[in-house]
Amino acid sequence: EIVLTQSPATLSLSPGDTATLSCRASQSVSGSLAWYQQKPGQAPRLLIYDASKRVTGIPARFSGSGSGTDFTLTISNLEPEDFAVYYCQHRGNSWTFGQGTKVEIK
Amino acid sequence: EVQLVESGGGLVEPGGSLRLSCAVSGFTVSTRYMTWVRQAPGKGLEWVSVIYSSGSTYYADSVKGRFTISRDSSKNTLYLQMNSQTTEDTAVYYCASGGAALDFWGQGTLVTVSS
Repeated sequence: EIVLTQSPATLSLSPGDTATLSCRASQSVSGSLAWYQQKPGQAPRLLIYDASKRVTGIPARFSGSGSGTDFTLTISNLEPEDFAVYYCQHRGNSWTFGQGTKVEIK
Repeated sequence: EVQLVESGGGLVEPGGSLRLSCAVSGFTVSTRYMTWVRQAPGKGLEWVSVIYSSGSTYYADSVKGRFTISRDSSKNTLYLQMNSQTTEDTAVYYCASGGAALDFWGQGTLVTVSS
């Protein structure tokens, strides 16, 4: 079973900064990786699929990259509404999630 | 507009049973992968179960043999029957749909297993 490890656990940044979130897979997942945003009390929201494809309606400041075992979600020019928890996810035999990275206001 | 609305959560004693429902609008439940994902208080996301458009079902090891996923196309509703529940099953349960990525989610329903 593939394990996804996200780092860092917490990222303390200011509005206008750039956030760089990492997701590492225990074995290659090719390009099959998604990123979600979750705010308190809300369901997760899909941001990125297939490692780098942005969902319709997601702002261009969100971008995904990577392949194989190493993936990155970059959020440029952080807006106040971007402070949330972010999860990476892969579907193999089942849907596997990383443990999450919290982007908090510094 | 796509909507997924869960219901059926609540308080149940250890060893008890509960059935969750997820009413779907905007697409036909039998045409897409339908999953249940749960989130224990203060914790991350955990996949629970899936029913494919073919009808095949799969479960996480943590719930295998205790939970059953099903759907009713006439009601366009997804279900999760949960039996022999333990305190470890306490979580918000989300229904979600998609393929490799889950693009539609419900708002979640809280299940608390406690005596």
